[in-house]
Amino acid sequence: NAGVTQTPKFRILKIGQSMTLQCTQDMNHNYMYWYRQDPGMGLKLIYYSVGAGITDKGEVPNGYNVSRSTTEDFPLRLELAAPSQTSVYFCASSYETSGNTIYFGEGSWLTVV
Amino acid sequence: GQSLEQPSEVTAVEGAIVQINCTYQTSGFNGLFWYQQHAGEAPTFLSYNVLDGLEEKGRFSSFLSRSKGYSYLLLKELQMKDSASYLCAPMDSNYQLIWGAGTKLIIKP
Repeated sequence: NAGVTQTPKFRILKIGQSMTLQCTQDMNHNYMYWYRQDPGMGLKLIYYSVGAGITDKGEVPNGYNVSRSTTEDFPLRLELAAPSQTSVYFCASSYETSGNTIYFGEGSWLTVV
Repeated sequence: GQSLEQPSEVTAVEGAIVQINCTYQTSGFNGLFWYQQHAGEAPTFLSYNVLDGLEEKGRFSSFLSRSKGYSYLLLKELQMKDSASYLCAPMDSNYQLIWGAGTKLIIKP
């Protein structure tokens, strides 16, 4: 019963490096999301996808890219990491939107130094 | 504009009842979620309200008044494991969830 799985759990990046946060879900959900959560703050939507091949920007997309080649996978790419991207990242998925529970992955703690 | 207000922190005693309030203003409305988030963990779903009234689920209940833009989460028979942040998240007309920082519930023995 995996649900939403994201890797890595912890990562330290140097300024200017790039990396990809992996996310996969096995619930056949159409919708997938990437959020970031800074300490003491609410979740901020980075990107979301309503199905394979379709992605859209959320509230804070700058510095990130996504792709959705399959229903299951929704990787988040950080290009040229900056200290402002130090945060906890959550991947999430839901079957549809209205009234459908969003299930979250366990989170990825990223530090940019 | 869209807004969301919850108290930043609430303290209660083990075994007691606590109510966590949430007021919101959204462009359109497609329901309101409550999530629980323990420190260092992901949010987990507690409840969803789309119609006015009280939804009861075990020790947890959630209330919604759409006309007042108001919801509350009621936790009964508090246990130490209920110490967590509680996130109220209304959904707007574009089916986007509005997230705040949540309410940190501190439970004292």
